[in-house]
Amino acid sequence: DQQVKQNSPSLSVQEGRISILNCDYTNSMFDYFLWYKKYPAEGPTFLISISSIKDKNEDGRFTVFLNKSAKHLSLHIVPSQPGDSAVYFCAASEGAGANSKLTFGKGITLSVRP
Amino acid sequence: DAGITQSPRHKVTETGTPVTLRCHQTENHRYMYWYRQDPGHGLRLIHYSYGVKDTDKGEVSDGYSVSRSKTEDFLLTLESATSSQTSVYFCAISEGQGDTGELFFGEGSRLTVL
Repeated sequence: DQQVKQNSPSLSVQEGRISILNCDYTNSMFDYFLWYKKYPAEGPTFLISISSIKDKNEDGRFTVFLNKSAKHLSLHIVPSQPGDSAVYFCAASEGAGANSKLTFGKGITLSVRP
Repeated sequence: DAGITQSPRHKVTETGTPVTLRCHQTENHRYMYWYRQDPGHGLRLIHYSYGVKDTDKGEVSDGYSVSRSKTEDFLLTLESATSSQTSVYFCAISEGQGDTGELFFGEGSRLTVL
């Protein structure tokens, strides 16, 4: 069973508009969530994270929202830029810390049209 | 950028042959991980290490073994490669205690088993 679900495999948006990437989880023990970005032929890179004690975390154009009751989080990118075109992975763990193993979703391919 | 080097970056081999992938870090991080990325599955943890000679299994460990004789090196071995092990393999590292769980990934090793 997938514990972290990214049900939409792809998303296409116009440059300058908002991109909203969704992620759902089933494990109620998850309390730390991260988003990673991956370009072709490169390794994933950390983008933003959120702890379950918060419902929002913002870093520049990127904001992550967490709805614990719905077991849902979303990544908002405003405004979207062509350089944001990549695969985005949602990940979750029980607790933060290096010994907390991350469970990843399947990823969403974002295409930002110029 | 985290100093992580994976080798080889590309390898084609035949079913039944042994294969070893190497991950080398220059960051002196305690935790090291091996993930595989496959279409429709995202990133899945194979094995991880929390110190020299300390390793544990991830969710897809069957058919793989690991070794960590030095802090900087983490080896992934396929004793007898199968076509189902064709994948892109990523090494990742984490800092020690107090870390938020963020992983730093290498650039990946693409393995094709014919």
